[in-house]
Amino acid sequence: KQEVTQIPAALSVPEGENLVLNCSFTDSAIYNLQWFRQDPGKGLTSLLLIQSSQREQTSGRLNASLDKSSGRSTLYIAASQPGDSATYLCAVGRHNAGKSTFGDGTTLTVKP
Amino acid sequence: SAVISQKPSRDICQRGTSLTIQCQVDSQVTMMFWYRQQPGQSLTLIATANQGSEATYESGFVIDKFPISRPNLTFSTLTVSNMSPEDSSIYLCSVVGESGYTFGSGTRLTVV
Repeated sequence: KQEVTQIPAALSVPEGENLVLNCSFTDSAIYNLQWFRQDPGKGLTSLLLIQSSQREQTSGRLNASLDKSSGRSTLYIAASQPGDSATYLCAVGRHNAGKSTFGDGTTLTVKP
Repeated sequence: SAVISQKPSRDICQRGTSLTIQCQVDSQVTMMFWYRQQPGQSLTLIATANQGSEATYESGFVIDKFPISRPNLTFSTLTVSNMSPEDSSIYLCSVVGESGYTFGSGTRLTVV
């Protein structure tokens, strides 16, 4: 059974700082890994999707990496802004028919 | 990626009553997923809604409590029946495609 862990559970940084969020998974036989952002009481917004054959994906100030052999993914946020404050979740896909396993998330606060 | 319209966005309900949540997708999809997110926790899959057949429920979830309809390839409903305060959660529908998961905006349910 796949288990997904996100550390830290919460993170507070000053504006402008670069930061890294971590996602670990126990079964390296994954189909893909997806990072999401969730604002309080809202749905999930997809940030980046990494297929199992890829090492990283980039979108603007965000960069996600994937190391299947070590069971880890990182989300790098450059030059953080107060608007980046949200909960970030990773989801590990087992196969292309859905049923990903979600981590508990990291709640990020960026202080002005 | 698909666009999902989910409603209602929030509701406050009396215990013992039922609430039906609707999700409309802007394209045809084979499977739709219904998730629950209890306060402070990550997402838990309730069931997979398949068009033309009964939904497939995950362990701990039953059809009598969470009946699901899937009348066509673009629409699904989830009903939370005989509600109790423990059902207070965010409920989310989702589809999966080439861009990974796409989520609806969520329904924030409070049972009093």
